[in-house]
Amino acid sequence: GQQVMQIPQYQHVQEGEDFTTYCNSSTTLSNIQWYKQRPGGHPVFLIQLVKSGEVKKQKRLTFQFGEAKKNSSLHITATQTTDVGTYFCAGPGGAQKLVFGQGTRLTINP
Amino acid sequence: ETGVTQTPRHLVMGMTNKKSLKCEQHLGHNAMYWYKQSAKKPLELMFVYSLEERVENNSVPSRFSPECPNSSHLFLHLHTLQPEDSALYLCASSHEAVLLGHEQFFGPGTRLTVL
Repeated sequence: GQQVMQIPQYQHVQEGEDFTTYCNSSTTLSNIQWYKQRPGGHPVFLIQLVKSGEVKKQKRLTFQFGEAKKNSSLHITATQTTDVGTYFCAGPGGAQKLVFGQGTRLTINP
Repeated sequence: ETGVTQTPRHLVMGMTNKKSLKCEQHLGHNAMYWYKQSAKKPLELMFVYSLEERVENNSVPSRFSPECPNSSHLFLHLHTLQPEDSALYLCASSHEAVLLGHEQFFGPGTRLTVL
């Protein structure tokens, strides 16, 4: 079945440093979604990318969708303590389901 | 956020108990989902309901039994669980089919501990 791989599994940075997580799919995706889960919380939708090569920004967060629509990345510029959490990518795995990556857990040293 | 609610938030049960998890969505969505999230694994999809019909059953053991009486409510009935079933159980809903790119809205989850 379809697999979505995400790296790294963990990332620890100093506050103010940048952070990037990468997502790779075994198949071409019609779209890719990103979610954030704060410690003790539940996943919250961040953004969806649909077009090949698409780049979207949300303040300090930059999301990219690869040209082949099989990979994606999330980059955070100048991390803040509020960015702590686990970031998941997810792609369609069938008509009615999302396949989630393993997530990248971000911790930040203030 | 109150779009998707789950009760109870925490549950401790013995292996011989029978309990049910409840999920309710107030967003007018047509699809609802049960996920399992444990420390060692990513989000695992368990069941998908679309317009109250089960459309996906991800090889889940029969000790987990879902029920969707209407498009706003989803239950997960639990019986004779094992300690390895201890996890966070998340309910989610979305407007329509995932393939169309509709985001999923998650509830706060039920933290289940099986003794």
